[in-house]
Amino acid sequence: SSKLAQDPAVSVALGQTVRITCQGDSLRDYFASWYQQKAGQAPILVIFDGSHRPSGVPDRISGSRSGNTASLTITGTQAEDDADYFCNFRDNSGKHVFGGGTKLTVL
Amino acid sequence: QVQLVQSGAEVRKPGSSVRVSCKPSGDTLNDHAMNWVRQAPGQGLEWLGGVIPYFRTSNYAQRFQGTVVITADESTNTVYMELSSLTLEDTAVYYCARDSRPSSGWYRSYYYGMDVWGQGTRITVSS
Repeated sequence: SSKLAQDPAVSVALGQTVRITCQGDSLRDYFASWYQQKAGQAPILVIFDGSHRPSGVPDRISGSRSGNTASLTITGTQAEDDADYFCNFRDNSGKHVFGGGTKLTVL
Repeated sequence: QVQLVQSGAEVRKPGSSVRVSCKPSGDTLNDHAMNWVRQAPGQGLEWLGGVIPYFRTSNYAQRFQGTVVITADESTNTVYMELSSLTLEDTAVYYCARDSRPSSGWYRSYYYGMDVWGQGTRITVSS
């Protein structure tokens, strides 16, 4: 299956660590990218190739994979991390799949 | 730093078509894939398809085969997405987004994410 499953909503206290997961059989074969989207804005790439950060993304944001699950971890969560997060991969035929998204609320 | 500038909001009736443009500012179309992703109100992201301008090759999500056409015009340095046979469910914000690294094609080409996004174009389908 090429579907990606994400928890619809996750909350975290300011300064704490949160992990956002993305599950799908295809993630055993493909590394995930992660996008952060704040209200009313276009998405921003925060992780590519499973664990790599584009320049400008703070190092408190990290990515990993275990089996069929990709994870995005935010350490020392800041108020500005309050956003929607989407996982994504592109398969060998060039087709993209996105997860349904996780709304992260920073308390 | 390249930016992607999209055309403005549109309102269309069901059954009609719409064309949205995306022009890179500060760069020319090249061998980075240009993708179109949409987001219905309160919903997630959905990939419609894309084009690699240098190779003039397009690729589409299966559900949009036959209703979406994505092209690149090097003379105007612009990528276009045309969506036909519109329904109420096509109401969404449409984004163009550029792959972060070049590709030699769509098949078995490594993917490093989409690092530049347009500002979005709101398409409203209403009778």
